[in-house]
Amino acid sequence: GAVVSQHPSWVICKSGTSVKIECRSLDFQATTMFWYRQFPKQSLMLMATSNEGSKATYEQGVEKDKFLINHASLTLSTLTVTSAHPEDSSFYICSARGQGLNIQYFGAGTRLSVL
Amino acid sequence: TQLLEQSPQFLSIQEGENLTVYCNSSSVFSSLQWYRQEPGEGPVLLVTVVTGGEVKKLKRLTFQFGDARKDSSLHITAAQPGDTGLYLCAGEYYSGYALNFGKGTSLLVTP
Repeated sequence: GAVVSQHPSWVICKSGTSVKIECRSLDFQATTMFWYRQFPKQSLMLMATSNEGSKATYEQGVEKDKFLINHASLTLSTLTVTSAHPEDSSFYICSARGQGLNIQYFGAGTRLSVL
Repeated sequence: TQLLEQSPQFLSIQEGENLTVYCNSSSVFSSLQWYRQEPGEGPVLLVTVVTGGEVKKLKRLTFQFGDARKDSSLHITAAQPGDTGLYLCAGEYYSGYALNFGKGTSLLVTP
């Protein structure tokens, strides 16, 4: 099946710094990528949808200036958590869908811990 | 965001027992997926159902899609400790759009 690589898998940072998370589709072109957030023992919450070459669409309640999403190529999307605070600590997961593919493929997730 | 109800949220059973997890919505799905997630990892796709009334089997797991495409169930026969994990249903209301996830069912199977 299709592979989506997410990096890093775990990041610890100081409060106030910015963190970038990468999501790559390794063997297909991802026309759409999705970013989710997951708290312990809870389900995935969609943060934003990004289409290659256009601005991301954010879900209600998600601060677009805090969570910057860039989908500059058909194989790479990045999520930057700007000026991270402890409440931003969470598990962030990306998924990707290729043109003509009717399912999403998920990355392994990134655990962000903000001290 | 459409509401997708998943139940039960927590389930603790002994090895060998059967169980069923339910996923319901008031709206029609264009497709529905079931995922299993281990701690610290991303969800892994188990099955996709798209046709009303569809039944799919994956070893001891049976997935059913309701005739009206508003509900689905996952039945596990003779559960094993290796089945322990978080099971998520996710519905796609419009083809090509983002998935809406249920709250998940945390399953613990003890020997």
